[in-house]
Amino acid sequence: DQQVKQNSPSLSVQEGRISILNCDYTNSMFDYFLWYKKYPAEGPTFLISISSIKDKNEDGRFTVFLNKSAKHLSLHIVPSQPGDSAVYFCAASSRTGGSYIPTFGRGTSLIVHP
Amino acid sequence: DAGVIQSPRHEVTEMGQEVTLRCKPISGHNSLFWYRQTMMRGLELLIYFNNNVPIDDSGMPEDRFSAKMPNASFSTLKIQPSEPRDSAVYFCASSFSEGGNEQFFGPGTRLTVL
Repeated sequence: DQQVKQNSPSLSVQEGRISILNCDYTNSMFDYFLWYKKYPAEGPTFLISISSIKDKNEDGRFTVFLNKSAKHLSLHIVPSQPGDSAVYFCAASSRTGGSYIPTFGRGTSLIVHP
Repeated sequence: DAGVIQSPRHEVTEMGQEVTLRCKPISGHNSLFWYRQTMMRGLELLIYFNNNVPIDDSGMPEDRFSAKMPNASFSTLKIQPSEPRDSAVYFCASSFSEGGNEQFFGPGTRLTVL
């Protein structure tokens, strides 16, 4: 049973518009959430994160929103650029054995059209 | 500054052969993770180490899989004997457990078992 779900396998957006990627989780013990971006033939790279004590974190064009009561987070990209085209993974983690161990969603493929 | 290094980048082998994947984490990182990515199951954590000690190997699919970390700068993931269903992209990631929660991924090894 998936603890972290990204229900949209793909998303297509026009350049300059907003991209909204969604993620739902089931485990209330998760207390740290991350987004990773992955280009073909490369490993995932960290994009932005949020602690469970916050409901919003912003870094340039990227903003992550956390709704703990709904167990839902989203990544907003404004404005979207063609270079943002990639697979985006949501991850939720809790501290186990001295490390934060993430559980990943299956990813959403974002295509930004020029 | 070198990131996580994985070798080989691509491996094609025949069923029944032994396969060894290698990983060099980022210097100074004390946590190391092995992941497998498939279309069906997404990004799965296989095993992770803290300070060279295996902490959780519950994600290792079968006894055919084994992982070692003989020192802080090297880890291996071995599959013996390999089977076609092991075909996937295998990622190694490292992090500093007392630092941020993000992991740094290597470029992955694409394994094809014929």
